Amino acid sequence: KAGVTQTPRYLIKTRGQQVTLSCSPISGHRSVSWYQQTPGQGLQFLFEYFSETQRNKGNFPGRFSGRQFSNSRSEMNVSTLELGDSALYLCASSLRTSGSFNADTQYFGPGTRLTVL
Amino acid sequence: SQQGEEDPQALSIQEGENATMNCSYKTSINNLQWYRQNSGRGLVHLILIRSNEREKHSGRLRVTLDTSKKSSSLLITASRAADTASYFCATGGGADGLTFGKGTHLIIQP
Repeated sequence: KAGVTQTPRYLIKTRGQQVTLSCSPISGHRSVSWYQQTPGQGLQFLFEYFSETQRNKGNFPGRFSGRQFSNSRSEMNVSTLELGDSALYLCASSLRTSGSFNADTQYFGPGTRLTVL
Repeated sequence: SQQGEEDPQALSIQEGENATMNCSYKTSINNLQWYRQNSGRGLVHLILIRSNEREKHSGRLRVTLDTSKKSSSLLITASRAADTASYFCATGGGADGLTFGKGTHLIIQP
């Protein structure tokens, strides 16, 4: 089974621009989560999608948004980029079914390294 | 905010030795997971231990969980150069997302 894939792997943008990152989960996985990793703040939860619905969002401004498609693929968008948005953005998928009490293992993609100049 | 806190922040040992890293967390959990990250790449899932389990093994990995102390430990036996990486514990998951500690950076000296 193919793992989680993320595109692009590297991205360089300038302040004020917007960016869209893509994530394809493992086949059959319906939950997709996004994380931001920076040296200062570490790994932080951005949002989680299940069946095309955002179920939760971390403590990030409205410039950070996302969506999930019917095939479970997900995209995240950051508008009006700031220098502090430079980070490794990680996507993870899990098999979690609706109503499951315990979280299933999350499988991570290789990440997208975003540099904002 | 960080739920888990790994200790030590950095660890350097000789190849063949055992490496132990610890994780403490603040709130009650359903499970705790350990992940490995090689040099700024994606996270690799190592092991998940549920709150009703006290110990779990996977190959050279041994994880313990003490819910009364809100702590977990990861032991890597007979370390290899390829084990050089950052190790993170994580709690939560599902709709709430995983909450990670700051990680332990492990260096295996040849």
